[in-house]
Amino acid sequence: DQQVKQNSPSLSVQEGRISILNCDYTNSMFDYFLWYKKYPAEGPTFLISISSIKDKNEDGRFTVFLNKSAKHLSLHIVPSQPGDSAVYFCAASRNTGTASKLTFGTGTRLQVTL
Amino acid sequence: NAGVMQNPRHLVRRRGQEARLRCSPMKGHSHVYWYRQLPEEGLKFMVYLQKENIIDESGMPKERFSAEFPKEGPSILRIQQVVRGDSAAYFCASSPRTGHRQETQYFGPGTRLLVL
Repeated sequence: DQQVKQNSPSLSVQEGRISILNCDYTNSMFDYFLWYKKYPAEGPTFLISISSIKDKNEDGRFTVFLNKSAKHLSLHIVPSQPGDSAVYFCAASRNTGTASKLTFGTGTRLQVTL
Repeated sequence: NAGVMQNPRHLVRRRGQEARLRCSPMKGHSHVYWYRQLPEEGLKFMVYLQKENIIDESGMPKERFSAEFPKEGPSILRIQQVVRGDSAAYFCASSPRTGHRQETQYFGPGTRLLVL
């Protein structure tokens, strides 16, 4: 049962343009969402997060949007740079009253072309 | 400020042998999580530990897998009698001691286990 889904396995975007990565979830108990970036042979690197009490969070070139009614979130990267080429994972956690595990999507491979 | 350390980075074992994976959390972090990534898949939660305590092991296979986080030293993920299906990348993450639910987890570089 894949509770966090990233339906696009890959995405190609031209340098300077906007990259939009999408993520859907099925578990309505999730209330904290994160995006991680991963290069080959390295561990995931935290990018940005959002709590379910918000619908937008911005950090530099990265913005995450959350649509709770649609159980959908997206990561926008503007402008895209070649160094952004990596696999992006969406992750979610749910309220258990204490620190808790993350449930990951299967990832989207972003290729930023010159 | 060292990040999460994992060793070894690569580990080759023959079927039936034991694999021991080590994780040292970031300085000041006392919560450790282990995740496994099979080829072409996302990361799957295995176990969450604090010092000397297993908090959540709902993702651990019932047999052959165990984890510990002793008072002194790194966290250890131990796989006994490895099988080819155990071949994967194993990632450790840590978060600060506050244990707040919405803390960010920071990941190590992973250990890539290959079972021949």
